[in-house]
Amino acid sequence: AQSVTQLGSHVSVSEGALVLLRCNYSSSVPPYLFWYVQYPNQGLQLLLKYTSAATLVKGINGFEAEFKKSETSFHLTKPSAHMSDAAEYFCAVSEGRGYSTLTFGKGTMLLVSP
Amino acid sequence: ETGVTQSPTHLIKTRGQQVTLRCSSQSGHNTVSWYQQALGQGPQFIFQYYREEENGRGNFPPRFSGLQFPNYSSELNVNALELDDSALYLCASSFQSGRADTQYFGPGTRLTVL
Repeated sequence: AQSVTQLGSHVSVSEGALVLLRCNYSSSVPPYLFWYVQYPNQGLQLLLKYTSAATLVKGINGFEAEFKKSETSFHLTKPSAHMSDAAEYFCAVSEGRGYSTLTFGKGTMLLVSP
Repeated sequence: ETGVTQSPTHLIKTRGQQVTLRCSSQSGHNTVSWYQQALGQGPQFIFQYYREEENGRGNFPPRFSGLQFPNYSSELNVNALELDDSALYLCASSFQSGRADTQYFGPGTRLTVL
């Protein structure tokens, strides 16, 4: 079975600082990987996805993630945090035979201070 | 283009009751997946419908059931509600059911079981 581990349930940064949210996965097949963001009392919004093309994936709002097969990682980064980035972030791996399901990590809450 | 919508927004039920949650998929999408997100956790896959047929199921008991209609909207039914069923229920639609397909999430229905 595939799984996702997100290190750190909470990450705190100052506005303007680098954002790094960690995600490690396990998968028996070449993975498809996703990052979603969830703002309070809202559903999930796709930030970016990796589907075996370029290993460095650029997403919305200045976020990007790098797929590293040797490290089984797909960490999310943003060079400069903004107050509006404060939200919960979920890493997910797509699995299923003949259909897609997403297996999510437990999420990382990003806190941004002025 | 209309996104994924869900109704109702909030719902309060008592143990043993039955509940029906509704989802309208994004225009042009033929696949709907349902997820349960308990407080402080990542979403967990319940089941998926593709062209009105159940296409895959997660580790949920049979009292969780669903339907997909010809217009690709969907219902999630939960019988004999238990306290642990209290969660945010998320619906996601996609163009197809493949592993690389992006799932677009609705805002969710918050179910409280007393």
